[in-house]
Amino acid sequence: GAGVSQSPRYKVAKRGQDVALRCDPISGHVSLFWYQQALGQGPEFLTYFQNEAQLDKSGLPSDRFFAERPEGSVSTLKIQRTQQEDSAVYLCASSSPYNEQFFGPGTRLTVL
Amino acid sequence: DAKTTQPTSMDCAEGRAANLPCNHSTISGNEYVYWYRQIHSQGPQYIIHGLKNNETNEMASLIITEDRKSSTLILPHATLRDTAVYYCIVRVNQNSGGSNYKLTFGKGTLLTVNP
Repeated sequence: GAGVSQSPRYKVAKRGQDVALRCDPISGHVSLFWYQQALGQGPEFLTYFQNEAQLDKSGLPSDRFFAERPEGSVSTLKIQRTQQEDSAVYLCASSSPYNEQFFGPGTRLTVL
Repeated sequence: DAKTTQPTSMDCAEGRAANLPCNHSTISGNEYVYWYRQIHSQGPQYIIHGLKNNETNEMASLIITEDRKSSTLILPHATLRDTAVYYCIVRVNQNSGGSNYKLTFGKGTLLTVNP
């Protein structure tokens, strides 16, 4: 069956540009997570949705980062006025209640 | 969630067992041990988890010491495709009644399987 998909797989942005990263979770999964992975590091939690409700956004590094999941399915992570330190792989994961998280392949963002 | 300590890297010969250690000396009674792995350019993949009993599935075995302060992930017959970063994570299990919650990754162990 289809897993978690993310698009685009690669994104190059000029510093100051806005970007939007998309996540399509596994159908029926109510929980959705975003993680940020810097080069050589493990993934770090950004934010968590249960259906359309954003229950935890404690990991978002600044107010330039914004995530939404308006219909409880597809989610978008938006980064405004990108900076070089935003360069990383952005991972999305989804899960059904009481089960493990399934990760997408990630979007590699490079800010020049 | 409790912190974990893993070796930075390990090597294993193809076809041999790979034993990946993890220390979690501050683990709480309601925290489980989870293992994920991340193959290059892919997202992390769930492998196995356990509380205090040893666990086995089609991918691996998990051995947890009696005092639960450490564990070992065993890949019984490592292949070249098992080359990846392996993450040991301790956290409250979803089935505890809490929300299905975030994973706290460390740097993991880079396992290199050699031909």
